[in-house]
Amino acid sequence: GAGVSQSPRYKVAKRGQDVALRCDPISGHVSLFWYQQALGQGPEFLTYFQNEAQLDKSGLPSDRFFAERPEGSVSTLKIQRTQQEDSAVYLCASSLTAGFFSDTQYFGPGTRLTVL
Amino acid sequence: KQEVTQIPAALSVPEGENLVLNCSFTDSAIYNLQWFRQDPGKGLTSLLLIQSSQREQTSGRLNASLDKSSGRSTLYIAASQPGDSATYLCAVSEGQNFVFGPGTRLSVLP
Repeated sequence: GAGVSQSPRYKVAKRGQDVALRCDPISGHVSLFWYQQALGQGPEFLTYFQNEAQLDKSGLPSDRFFAERPEGSVSTLKIQRTQQEDSAVYLCASSLTAGFFSDTQYFGPGTRLTVL
Repeated sequence: KQEVTQIPAALSVPEGENLVLNCSFTDSAIYNLQWFRQDPGKGLTSLLLIQSSQREQTSGRLNASLDKSSGRSTLYIAASQPGDSATYLCAVSEGQNFVFGPGTRLSVLP
């Protein structure tokens, strides 16, 4: 079956542009997570959805970051007025059950964002 | 604040060797610990998940142990193969927080 997919795989943006990153989780998965991974580091948690509800957004680094999952399936991470420090790989993961991190997470390949 | 460290940062071994990767965490109040593998340019693949009540998990040539009281986990890889070359990350769940270590970059030489 299909795994988690993300698009685009690569995105180059000029500083100040808005970007939108898409995540298609595994069908039927209740939980969806977004992470930010800087070069040479482990991923850092950004936000968590249970179905369409955003239950935790404590990891979003600023109010320029916004995530949604309006129908409980596909999710979009939007970054407004991008800055160079936003350059990173953005990873999406989904898991079958509800609850924070209590189940195996399946990761997508990530979107590599470069802000010039 | 939970901090996760991994030693060594990088490791290079000849094919066939058994090896151990280490993960340490500062706060023992965790729900579970997971080991992941990350190939260049790709996402993470979950290898093993150990619940806080468990001491170890095994999958094929992989064995992960958890000593919650001392804040340590090890990933043992038996009879390493070139295909095992990747970055291995551990991550701990505190319920509403999931903290990754920086990873160990493993190279298995043919």
